[in-house]
Amino acid sequence: ETGVTQTPRHLVMGMTNKKSLKCEQHLGHNAMYWYKQSAKKPLELMFVYSLEERVENNSVPSRFSPECPNSSHLFLHLHTLQPEDSALYLCASSQTVQGVESEANYGYTFGSGTRLTVV
Amino acid sequence: GQNIDQPTEMTATEGAIVQINCTYQTSGFNGLFWYQQHAGEAPTFLSYNVLDGLEEKGRFSSFLSRSKGYSYLLLKELQMKDSASYLCAVIDSNYQLIWGAGTKLIIKP
Repeated sequence: ETGVTQTPRHLVMGMTNKKSLKCEQHLGHNAMYWYKQSAKKPLELMFVYSLEERVENNSVPSRFSPECPNSSHLFLHLHTLQPEDSALYLCASSQTVQGVESEANYGYTFGSGTRLTVV
Repeated sequence: GQNIDQPTEMTATEGAIVQINCTYQTSGFNGLFWYQQHAGEAPTFLSYNVLDGLEEKGRFSSFLSRSKGYSYLLLKELQMKDSASYLCAVIDSNYQLIWGAGTKLIIKP
């Protein structure tokens, strides 16, 4: 497989459930990201991992818990979600090079996303 | 605050030309991206501009004016497969990506 793969593609869960989203990248990138995409709204950055360490958490509620066991895998653990958390969750990866401003530094490769519905 | 503005939706005819505008107000500027996203699919990279001027890639071109905080994506010889959302994103002074809400482009025969 190539690129960025996300599973599952669709997920329906109750507010008391616990589930996990999985992301895998086969590009040898050193940074991975979770984004939330809601209809007619800009992409919202949730978490950034660089070299397997979390470098940013944009004030995301604790009911979302990321995990990055290695540079190729990223998880988003979900528990006690709210209906307003229903959205498309996108994973992305990039190859960052310190101090270099170029397409190679900021071009993101996205997965197809997980469409999450909280009922 | 930081803001990226682009039209919510546009309609164009197959074979025609369409220009999608993006204006931005950000704390600094280190480049601008355009991405294409088909419904239910991943956003895919289209272009990157960091200097003023026009960058051409086949049927797609992207223009940047840093002094005006303005960019546009120009699509020529439109095809039905160009129906998608087009996302504008700016890298600010902290090297954070600021995203627009996207422009949904509808192509009619």
